[in-house]
This record gives sequence, structure tokens and C-alpha cells, in this order.
Amino acid sequence: KQEVTQIPAALSVPEGENLVLNCSFTDSAIYNLQWFRQDPGKGLTSLLLIQSSQREQTSGRLNASLDKSSGRSTLYIAASQPGDSATYLCAGYSGTYKYIFGTGTRLKVLA
Amino acid sequence: NAGVTQTPKFQVLKTGQSMTLQCAQDMNHNSMYWYRQDPGMGLRLIYYSASEGTTDKGEVPNGYNVSRLNKREFSLRLESAAPSQTSVYFCASSVVKDSWWGYTFGSGTRLTVV
Repeated sequence: KQEVTQIPAALSVPEGENLVLNCSFTDSAIYNLQWFRQDPGKGLTSLLLIQSSQREQTSGRLNASLDKSSGRSTLYIAASQPGDSATYLCAGYSGTYKYIFGTGTRLKVLA
Repeated sequence: NAGVTQTPKFQVLKTGQSMTLQCAQDMNHNSMYWYRQDPGMGLRLIYYSASEGTTDKGEVPNGYNVSRLNKREFSLRLESAAPSQTSVYFCASSVVKDSWWGYTFGSGTRLTVV
């Protein structure tokens, strides 16, 4: 059974720091991967989607990469801001019409 | 605004009551999903509909039923609510054609069963 681990579970950093969030899958057969942001009491907002033919995606200060051989993905956030404070979730698609979600990394960026 | 709309946003039920959670998307997506989110458990798939006219069980289907009413709408029904069904419920949709184009989520329904 595919499982997803996100490390760290929680992170607190000062404003301006560059940071890396990690996501790993027990089964490296991942075709697509999506990173989401969730604010407290809110829904999930898609940040980046890496298709099966891609290795990374960039949007503004965010960069996500996927290493299929190891079943690992990283989300890099440059020059973090207090507004980046949220829970970040990764989800991997390995077939049969559904994603497997990690339990998230709670990020707090201190002003 | 285009997206996934869920109703209601909040609901309190008594044990044994029934209710239907509604979900509609206007992005012409072919696949739709229902998830529940519980603290420490992450998101777990309840049911999904790969295309109009089809539904399949996910990881935690017991106690729920679904209906894919048309391409836009996918409802989740609790026939006899139990306190264990207290959770936040999310509907999502996606395009699955040649490749997977990612999920779009609704804003969620917070359900409390007392």
C-alpha cells in the first residue's frame, strides 16, 4: 500500500529564510505529483503540479521537484514571508483515479 | 468564479439523522471525488466518480453513499449519521485525459455529529 511521509511535520522559521519541505512515497511508482497549501479552516489550494514527463515546476518563489527513482519530492520556498504560513500537503498519483495525500507540514514564518 | 462549490459549509446533525452534501463543478471536469479530513489522519478518499455514470469506493466508504447526478454534480449522502463521521468533507474534481491534470478542491463542509 502506497504511503506518503512529509518531513518535517512542523516548521517555524524567521522571515526571509529559504526553506525545503520534503515528501516521500513508499512506492516510487508515482506518475504525477501535486503540492497544495491549506490555510486554517479553509480548503486546499493547488500550488504546483508535476506531470509524469516533468522533473520540476516553478511558480514565483516556489519550486517543486520530483525524483521518481527515489519516490521523493521537495518543495522549495525562497525568501519566506509571514503570508506563507499554512499547512503544505503533497499528493502523489500512482493510478486508479486517485491521489495519496501526505499528512502535511505546518509552516509558520515569523515576522 | 469557476471552481468547485460545496454546500452546506457547516452542519450539525444528531446521531441517526441523514443528510446529503452537495458538490458542483463548472470546469467540465470528468472526474469527481469526496474526501474527509481528520486531525492526524490526512485526507482519505471516500468515493470517487471517474466519469459521469460511474462511482467507485475509496479508502473509507462505509456509512456513505454517492450519486453522480450529471457531469457537474456529485453528492455524498450519510444515511444514519454517527459521531465517527464528524469531520471536514472536501469535494474535488479533475480532468483525467491522456494525463492527470491535478485536483481542484471545494472549500469544504464542516460536519459535527452529536
